[in-house]
Amino acid sequence: DAKTTQPTSMDCAEGRAANLPCNHSTISGNEYVYWYRQIHSQGPQYIIHGLKNNETNEMASLIITEDRKSSTLILPHATLRDTAVYYCIVRPNSGGSNYKLTFGKGTLLTVNP
Amino acid sequence: GAVVSQHPSRVICKSGTSVKIECRSLDFQATTMFWYRQFPKQSLMLMATSNEGSKATYEQGVEKDKFLINHASLTLSTLTVTSAHPEDSSFYICSARDWGGQSSYEQYFGPGTRLTVT
Repeated sequence: DAKTTQPTSMDCAEGRAANLPCNHSTISGNEYVYWYRQIHSQGPQYIIHGLKNNETNEMASLIITEDRKSSTLILPHATLRDTAVYYCIVRPNSGGSNYKLTFGKGTLLTVNP
Repeated sequence: GAVVSQHPSRVICKSGTSVKIECRSLDFQATTMFWYRQFPKQSLMLMATSNEGSKATYEQGVEKDKFLINHASLTLSTLTVTSAHPEDSSFYICSARDWGGQSSYEQYFGPGTRLTVT
């Protein structure tokens, strides 16, 4: 059962901001929104996570709507190396030691020169 | 950031043989490690959760006797694919949770192991 919905693919011009949407309308109060990306034939890479406030780090910004039913990952200045599949995952940050991540299909972001 | 390594990065084996894949956390202790499998053009599927010093927990549909997992230390977990068949050919990825780090919520992923069974 998919807990998140993402577009299958998106294109972005190099140097421009890439805005990747994610719907998670059934998110629970104790669930965080996580973003990972996977460059072709590599392991996933953690990007950012948040609960309800907007978050920013050196890689990206995460904007979560007030009702927490959707979020947007923003890569402010996309480069060719940002071409990857981006996964939006919701997961509680407590409740045992397993902390499983369930990956959906993600969004293939292609950054074009 | 925390680093997870896998060995080998790619392996080719004959049908019927067994293959061992190692997953190491290089600069942190990982009480929990996870093993995923990814077929071409598909997403990662969790196979099992490995806890140091105890038996692994397998996801539904994953044969525990075929995919043997050992997590004998805080920095090493191994996945052994026994009696491999061509349908086991896949990209195997491990991840580890940093138990004591400041950012203890993320999982750190290894680079993956490409298994080809001929």
